[in-house]
Amino acid sequence: DSGVTQTPKHLITATGQRVTLRCSPRSGDLSVYWYQQSLDQGLQFLIQYYNGEERAKGNILERFSAQQFPDLHSELNLSSLELGDSALYFCASSWSGGDTGELFFGEGSRLTVL
Amino acid sequence: QQPVQSPQAVILREGEDAVINCSSSKALYSVHWYRQKHGEAPVFLMILLKGGEQKGHEKISASFNEKKQQSSLYLTASQLSYSGTYFCGTERGAGSYQLTFGKGTKLSVIP
Repeated sequence: DSGVTQTPKHLITATGQRVTLRCSPRSGDLSVYWYQQSLDQGLQFLIQYYNGEERAKGNILERFSAQQFPDLHSELNLSSLELGDSALYFCASSWSGGDTGELFFGEGSRLTVL
Repeated sequence: QQPVQSPQAVILREGEDAVINCSSSKALYSVHWYRQKHGEAPVFLMILLKGGEQKGHEKISASFNEKKQQSSLYLTASQLSYSGTYFCGTERGAGSYQLTFGKGTKLSVIP
């Protein structure tokens, strides 16, 4: 158990819909990272937050957005869903406010878009 | 830019050794290694900072050649528990805050 909690674990929805994935980092961790994992692309970095502020942005689509709240939990919002958005979405947290240290991954949220 | 890992997959018998390589076309600040077992989350193995240092984790060690922008993960006397997909992640600079992973190397250890 990494201490990172992600909900929901599984989600099935239809194209065009919107979903929200939630992540609670380990106690004391200020950084939250979101990754998308699909079979052919491996782990794709989406976005990182540190203590409520966006710190780095990767290949995140405009249809996707995220935020980190004052209690440090984070949410990833995916809208206008397409079939290709089906993937496993991981949240990871880290204590580090500087260079990326050890990341602790949650168990992921598996999104299936039909 | 996504680092390139090789090989894509490897099958070992228990007790055999393996090397997994990770290379980048850009200068690197650090290399991170993770292992993901089937159906589970990735788990941290080690971080290597530029300086060519080598680190170890039980029978798993790694090196980082910053001049060649390459890192290698060495697994010696492999055990069944080593099976999984190994990912290298790279950072291009201090304070980049962006860890970019390769596509992974699937390692299967058989009895």
